[in-house]
This record gives sequence, C-alpha cells and structure tokens, in this order.
Amino acid sequence: SYELTQPLSVSVALGQTARITCGGNNIGSKNVHWYQQKPGQAPVLVIYRDSNRPSGIPERFSGSNSGNTATLTISRAQAGDEADYYCQVWDSSTAVFGGGTKLTVL
Amino acid sequence: EVQLVESGGGLVQPGGSLRLSCAASGFTFSSYWMHWVRQAPGKGLVWVSRINSDGSSTSYADSVKGRFTISRDNAKNTLYLQMNSLRAEDTAVYYCARGEVVGAGHFDYWGQGTLVTVSS
Repeated sequence: SYELTQPLSVSVALGQTARITCGGNNIGSKNVHWYQQKPGQAPVLVIYRDSNRPSGIPERFSGSNSGNTATLTISRAQAGDEADYYCQVWDSSTAVFGGGTKLTVL
Repeated sequence: EVQLVESGGGLVQPGGSLRLSCAASGFTFSSYWMHWVRQAPGKGLVWVSRINSDGSSTSYADSVKGRFTISRDNAKNTLYLQMNSLRAEDTAVYYCARGEVVGAGHFDYWGQGTLVTVSS
C-alpha cells in the first residue's frame, strides 16, 4: 500500500518561513492536498491539487510537488498557524493521509 | 453556508453495531461525492469510505471492508455509515467530509465529528 511520510514536528520562529514535507514514491505524479487541524477542531483544507488555495486561506500558505516530495510552505508564520498538518493523496481508489506534522511557532 | 453535522456516535460493546448520520446543508448534496474519515484519540487522520454522488459506487479502507457500509439519501441530504462487528480499534472520532463533484480528490468541508467508543 502507498505510504506518505511526514516529519513528526517542525518548529519555526515567529515571522519566519516553515516548510513541511510529505514524501511518497513518485508523489509528483499525484495530486497532493493539505489539511490543517487545530486541537479539538475538524481539519481544514489549506491547499488542494498541489498548490491551489481555497477561498479564505491566506496567501502565506503555498504548496509544491515534484519527484518524491511535496512541500507545504507557510510564510511569515503566525502564532495562529500552530497546528497539525496532514498531506493526502489517492492511490488505487483509496485516500491516503500522511502521519501528520505538528507545527510549533516559537 | 456549507454545513455537515454528524450524529449517532456513542459507547458500544465489541461486536456491536452503530449507524452514523451526517446531515448536509448549504449545497447541492446530490452533486458531490462524500466521505467518512476517522481519527483515533491522539492519532492521525484515516480515510474510511467514500460514495459517489448517486450512491451507485462505494469503496472502503481494508480495515473496515465487510463490516462497514456507506450509503446516502439524496432526498434527505443525509450520508450514513452503518458499522457492524465493531472492534476496540474502531474507537475514534468519525468525520464526514465533502469530496468533489467528479472523482476522487480533496475534502473541502468537514463536519465537527462524532465520537465512537468501542469498549466493554
């Protein structure tokens, strides 16, 4: 079965840029979606199809996908960006989530 | 405004059954694929099942295949998940999520979730 690998945690200084990676075999050939989940809340879609932002998501959130790695980039990180982030793809009619990355804003 | 409201969770004994519901509003429910995603306490997101817009096609995660059944009533704007032969490892918050109009894709709206606890 297809696996997505994310770092357990990423730290970023307030106002700096955070990059969260999602590794998978030839993931560049798939559409990657990213979700933000704050404690006690439902997930929120922040990036779809590699690099598209839903309405209401700040331009500070961007995505890229190539080769074996997809990346979610959060520019000018704010305290409110602290959350768990999950990548997601489809493989053989099954949705697959990465294990999640906890983003800490210092 | 798109709203998804789950209900039906609760405490059930191992081997028991439960039916979850997800009431949808604020969009044309019958046009969208719908999904169930679960999250065990302190763990990550796990996709459970999906159904296409008219209910003619479904798919399941291997972990629930043969035990869970997804269905929908487009006249009532409601998604269901019938869960049978429940196990302790099915304990989780269950979210319904809206998919895309055509095919697999992203989940752009999520409900608040309903907690299912399987324990004796």
